[in-house]
Amino acid sequence: RKEVEQDPGPFNVPEGATVAFNCTYSNSASQSFFWYRQDCRKEPKLLMSVYSSGNEDGRFTAQLNRASQYISLLIRDSKLSDSATYLCAVKETGRRALTFGSGTRLQVQP
Amino acid sequence: EAQVTQNPRYLITVTGKKLTVTCSQNMNHEYMSWYRQDPGLGLRQIYYSMNVEVTDKGDVPEGYKVSRKEKRNFPLILESPSPNQTSLYFCASSSLAGTNEQFFGPGTRLTVL
Repeated sequence: RKEVEQDPGPFNVPEGATVAFNCTYSNSASQSFFWYRQDCRKEPKLLMSVYSSGNEDGRFTAQLNRASQYISLLIRDSKLSDSATYLCAVKETGRRALTFGSGTRLQVQP
Repeated sequence: EAQVTQNPRYLITVTGKKLTVTCSQNMNHEYMSWYRQDPGLGLRQIYYSMNVEVTDKGDVPEGYKVSRKEKRNFPLILESPSPNQTSLYFCASSSLAGTNEQFFGPGTRLTVL
C-alpha cells in the first residue's frame, strides 16, 4: 500500500462546479499536510497548508480528518484556470522530507 | 527574485555517460532535496541535504550521488546513467525554521537511451 494515495482522475467538471479531492495517508505519525498544484510540465507550487481545524483560502477549502487519516481539498466555483494536477503532501514528525501522492488531475471545461 | 534554478532543463544522453544536473537556490535555505517524477508514481525523493556537507538518502537513491559543498548548490550526479533513470527531475529547497513550504526548480527532463 502506498503511503499517500490519491485518485488520479481525471475529474472533468464544468465551470462553476464544486469539486472535491481526497488524499489518504497510511502513517498515523504524519504531522503536517499540504496541497500543491502542478501545471502540465511545470514544477509543483504550494497551494495551501492543511490545518487541524480546517482552513479556507478564497474558493479553496482544505480539511484534515485524523481519525480516518485523510485530507481533502474542496474547490468552489471552478475556473478554467483551476485545471491542473493537485498533489497532496505529508510530513512525518521529526522528518523534513515530504511524501507526495501521485496527484489528481482536474480538467475544468467551458 | 527568490528562486530555484536547474540546469540543464532538457537532456538526452546515452547509457553510461556520466552527467550532472545542477541546482541552485538564492533563498539561503538550509534544506535541499532532489525528486524524480514518473507517471503513476508521483514525486519520489532521491536524496536530501539538511545543510552544508550533510546529505542523506531518500526513497530511491540507487544510481545517484549528490554533494553539498556550498549552501546554495546541490548537484545531482549520475555516474553511469541507465534507461530506467529517464524521468523528470525536480530540485527543491526550504528553510528549516518557519514555513514548511518547499520551493521547486523548473525541472529537468532527462532521457537516457
